Amino acid sequence: QVQLQESGPGLVKPSQTLSLTCTVSGGSIRSGAYYWNWIRQLPGKGLEWIGYIHYSGSTYYNPSLESRLTISVDTSKNQFSLKLSSVTAADTAVYYCAGGLTPYYFDYWGQGTLVTVSS
Amino acid sequence: QSVLTQPPSVSGAPGQRVTISCTGSSSNIGAGFDVHWYQLLPGTAPKLLIYGSNHRPSGVPDRFSGSKSGTSASLAITGLQAEDEADYYCQSYDSNLSAPYVFGTGTKVTVL
Repeated sequence: QVQLQESGPGLVKPSQTLSLTCTVSGGSIRSGAYYWNWIRQLPGKGLEWIGYIHYSGSTYYNPSLESRLTISVDTSKNQFSLKLSSVTAADTAVYYCAGGLTPYYFDYWGQGTLVTVSS
Repeated sequence: QSVLTQPPSVSGAPGQRVTISCTGSSSNIGAGFDVHWYQLLPGTAPKLLIYGSNHRPSGVPDRFSGSKSGTSASLAITGLQAEDEADYYCQSYDSNLSAPYVFGTGTKVTVL
């Protein structure tokens, strides 16, 4: 059973870069044809898809975030990462990593990590 | 704002049946794209309950079932249990959006 765990700072200053890592256990990040996603939940609001990286290395980003966003994979550590630059308070959210065998839905999720953007 | 609309809350007594609707449009559910459902409990990883509109992943109790018709979908929970008290989200694909993987507005299920 694939398990995911997010890690990273819980507090980021405005204008800085938010960096999160998702560690995959119970399987290789290179195995199968997985799509590795980031999803966030803004305070008091619903879920928003951020983007994914396919195990082949191709990426697909939410256009509203694309200019600030990088998702990458580190196969040696069985991890994938999110970098969101120039953050503002509007980026405060619970960030989830999620994986799926298709891009259309998300089989596995991490438990989420709260990131607050504040000085 | 979400293109998939759910009721903010539903409630039921233990053992009862509750349903959660997910209303979309001709560019998502109505276009034939599948609907998927997730259960969110505080402090735990969200769980995929239904994929492909009416398929349950291994390990999900058969008390949970999904259906789809026209531009809407539903999640039914029969034999409601205290542990089912959670937030539930539908999710689909929207062909009109450049960020096509869309979620519903979410529904809080309360077990009375």
